[in-house]
Amino acid sequence: DIQMTQSPPSLSASVGDRVTITCRASQGISQFLAWFQQKPGKAPKSLIYAASTLQSGVPSKFSGSGSGTDFTLTISSLQPEDFATYYCQQYNSYPLTFGGGTKVEIK
Amino acid sequence: EVQLLESGGGVVQPGGSLRLSCAASGFTVSDFAMNWVRQAPGKGLEWVSGISDSGGRTKYADSAKGRFTMSRDKSKNTLYLQMNSLRVEDTAVYYCAKGSSGDVWGQGTTVTVFS
Repeated sequence: DIQMTQSPPSLSASVGDRVTITCRASQGISQFLAWFQQKPGKAPKSLIYAASTLQSGVPSKFSGSGSGTDFTLTISSLQPEDFATYYCQQYNSYPLTFGGGTKVEIK
Repeated sequence: EVQLLESGGGVVQPGGSLRLSCAASGFTVSDFAMNWVRQAPGKGLEWVSGISDSGGRTKYADSAKGRFTMSRDKSKNTLYLQMNSLRVEDTAVYYCAKGSSGDVWGQGTTVTVFS
C-alpha cells in the first residue's frame, strides 16, 4: 500500500498569510494526487486533482504542485472561510490512501 | 447538477448488517469509477471500497474484505454498500465519491455499531 504523509498535522495562521501544506507518498504516484478541504460536520470538498488542476469553481488562491513523491498545497492569502482540515489522497493505485490531514486554525 | 445522496445508515449491534445506498443525479454511475470512503468520529478519511467504470470490478480495503460488498444498479443510477458482520470499529460517517480523484462527494450517512 502507498502511505501518504502530510505535514504539518496542524498549523496556526492569520488572515492574509500564505500557507503551504506538504504531502509525501511512500512511492512514486506520478501526478495522481488530489487535495480536499473539509469543514466540521461537512463532507470533503475537492479542491485539486492531478496534483495541480483546480476543480471548477475553486478560487485561484489555491494551488497545487509536485510530481512523483512530493506534493504541496498552497493557499496564497488565507481568508476566514479557509480555516478547515485539508487532506491529500493518492489515486495511482488501490487501495486509495489519504494523508492524515492538516488542520488550519486561526492564530 | 451532479449530486450524490447517501442513505441507509443507522444504529446496529455488532454482527449486524446494513445496506447503504448512494443515489446519483446529473451523471451515470456506470460511466465513472466510484468509491466509498468513511470517517470515524474525530478521525481522518479512510477508503473502504471502489468499483471501476468499465467492467464493474470491485476493490476493498483489508478492513472490509469478506464483510462488505459494493455494487451498482444502472437502472436506478445507484451505488450500494452491503455491510455484514459489522464491528464497533466500523462506526463512522460513510461517504460515496465520484471518480478516483473524488471530484464530487455525497453528504454522508452515519453508521453506529454498539452493543
